[in-house]
Amino acid sequence: QQQVKQSPQSLIVQKGGISIINCAYENTAFDYFPWYQQFPGKGPALLIAIRPDVSEKKEGRFTISFNKSAKQFSLHIMDSQPGDSATYFCAATNQGGKLIFGQGTELSVKP
Amino acid sequence: ETGVTQSPTHLIKTRGQQVTLRCSSQSGHNTVSWYQQALGQGPQFIFQYYREEENGRGNFPPRFSGLQFPNYSSELNVNALELDDSALYLCASSLGGGRDQPQHFGDGTRLSIL
Repeated sequence: QQQVKQSPQSLIVQKGGISIINCAYENTAFDYFPWYQQFPGKGPALLIAIRPDVSEKKEGRFTISFNKSAKQFSLHIMDSQPGDSATYFCAATNQGGKLIFGQGTELSVKP
Repeated sequence: ETGVTQSPTHLIKTRGQQVTLRCSSQSGHNTVSWYQQALGQGPQFIFQYYREEENGRGNFPPRFSGLQFPNYSSELNVNALELDDSALYLCASSLGGGRDQPQHFGDGTRLSIL
């Protein structure tokens, strides 16, 4: 019940296209859902986060869509750029701040 | 504003040895969490320290232990190292132990066990 399942494992997108990464969770006590971006040799960097009382949150080219009834959330990267090529992790947490991470999606944006 | 810094960046140890990893939290942050990231996997929560007290622990054996100091920096100690302990160890700091306080990560310590 503590798992967060992420898909796809890898994704190839053309420059200018939309990248979509999906996550699903089971624990209804989760109440904060961040997305992290990780480049090789670096730690995860917080991209954007959402709480379940909001169905969508947008920051620049990054949008989180949240479906509470389906216990699913997704990251959309609009106008994807080669510099977006990285590994993306969804995560979830409840009170206490312990982050439960998905397995990661390796995104490659082709020029 | 100084971000989260970890030392050393790389470390090689042999089975059975002990290791100490260090983390300096971001300025103003009083909470430190430690994660283990195996190659190709998402980070796994080890434990969290809030105001020098352990504030939650993941599914890791007691040979993984930690400390937080009055300046909120932290150490992760691992005894009796095993081959499976080879991983990237990440430290994250945040303001308060609450759920909606963003956790900011350092670049980690890459630990290799021979």
